[in-house]
This record gives sequence, structure tokens and C-alpha cells, in this order.
Amino acid sequence: QKEVEQNSGPLSVPEGAIASLNCTYSDRGSQSFFWYRQYSGKSPELIMSIYSNGDKEDGRFTAQLNKASQYVSLLIRDSQPSDSATYLCAVQFGNEKLTFGTGTRLTIIP
Amino acid sequence: DAEITQSPRHKITETGRQVTLACHQTWNHNNMFWYRQDLGHGLRLIHYSYGVQDTNKGEVSDGYSVSRSNTEDLPLTLESAASSQTSVYFCASSESWQGGQFFGPGTRLTVL
Repeated sequence: QKEVEQNSGPLSVPEGAIASLNCTYSDRGSQSFFWYRQYSGKSPELIMSIYSNGDKEDGRFTAQLNKASQYVSLLIRDSQPSDSATYLCAVQFGNEKLTFGTGTRLTIIP
Repeated sequence: DAEITQSPRHKITETGRQVTLACHQTWNHNNMFWYRQDLGHGLRLIHYSYGVQDTNKGEVSDGYSVSRSNTEDLPLTLESAASSQTSVYFCASSESWQGGQFFGPGTRLTVL
């Protein structure tokens, strides 16, 4: 069974610092990787996708993928209180359905 | 703007009743999904569809059914609601195999 692991947190980061969220997955053949942000009481929102080894940057967000080590991470630079949310990692093998981690709760401390 | 909607947003029902949750998307996506989200379990896939007349079971499909008669809608039916089905239900859709899924606002269901 394909598994996606995340530290549940909570992860507390001072405002303005870099928040680092990590995710490991069990299926070495996984090909597509996604990060979702979910505010309390709201639905998951897709914020990043990455398919190749290396870094992908989008504004304050950077996704990092290392297929050899089977991990994907999300960096949030200049963290803001509005970044406080639960971040879900999702992994997909080929055209199969997504497998989600249980999420990491991030709190940005003003 | 294209969107995905769910109704009702909140529902309280009694054990044994049949309940249908609606999901409607205007993205014209072929792929649609139903998840439930519970504390400690994350998002778990109930059913999914890759197109009209196509439906497939996910990891927690017992007690649920779906039908896909058009591209826009994938209603989820609880045949005989049980207290264990109290949860938040999310519908999602995607355009392609490699694209991410886009989620609706969710339905909070309570079974008494």
C-alpha cells in the first residue's frame, strides 16, 4: 500500500522566518507531487505541484523534490500569519489516484 | 468563473436514512472524486469517476454509491446512513492525470 508520511506538528515558526515542511513517500515510482493548504474549516487548496527532481519556486513558496531519497518538501519564505494552516502532501503514481498525507499544522507566531 | 460547488453545506440526518450529497463542477473536467476527512485519518477516497458512466470504488466505499450521468455532476449517496459516516465530505475534480485536483467547499454531515 502506498504511504505518504508527514509530521503532524504543530510546527511553530516566527513571522518572517522560513517554514520548512517535509513529506516522505513509499512508492519509488511516484511521478507527481502536490502541496495543498487547508485553513481550518475550509477545503484543501492546491498551492504547488512538482514533477521533476530539484526546486520549483512560486512567489514565497519553493517545492523541493528528491526522488532518490523519496521526499518532497515545501519551503515558505518570509512566513506570514496568514500562512498558518494545515499543509497536505499528495503523491501520485502514473495515472492512479492521489494518496494524501495526514498533514502538518503550521502556526506562524507574530 | 469555473467552479466546483457542493450542497448542502451542512446536513443532519438520522441513522438508517438515505442521504445524497451533490457535487457540481463547471470546469468541464472528466475526473471527479469524493473524499471524506476525519481527524487522524486525513483525506480518504470514497469513489471516483473518469468520465460519464464510469465509476470506481476507493479505499472506503462501503455504504456509499455514486453515479455519473453527465460531465458536471457526481452525486454521492449514503444508502443507509450510519453514525460512522459522520464526517466532512469533499468533492474534487481534475482535468488530467498529472494535474492536481481542485476541491469543492465541503459538506459537513452529522448522522445521529
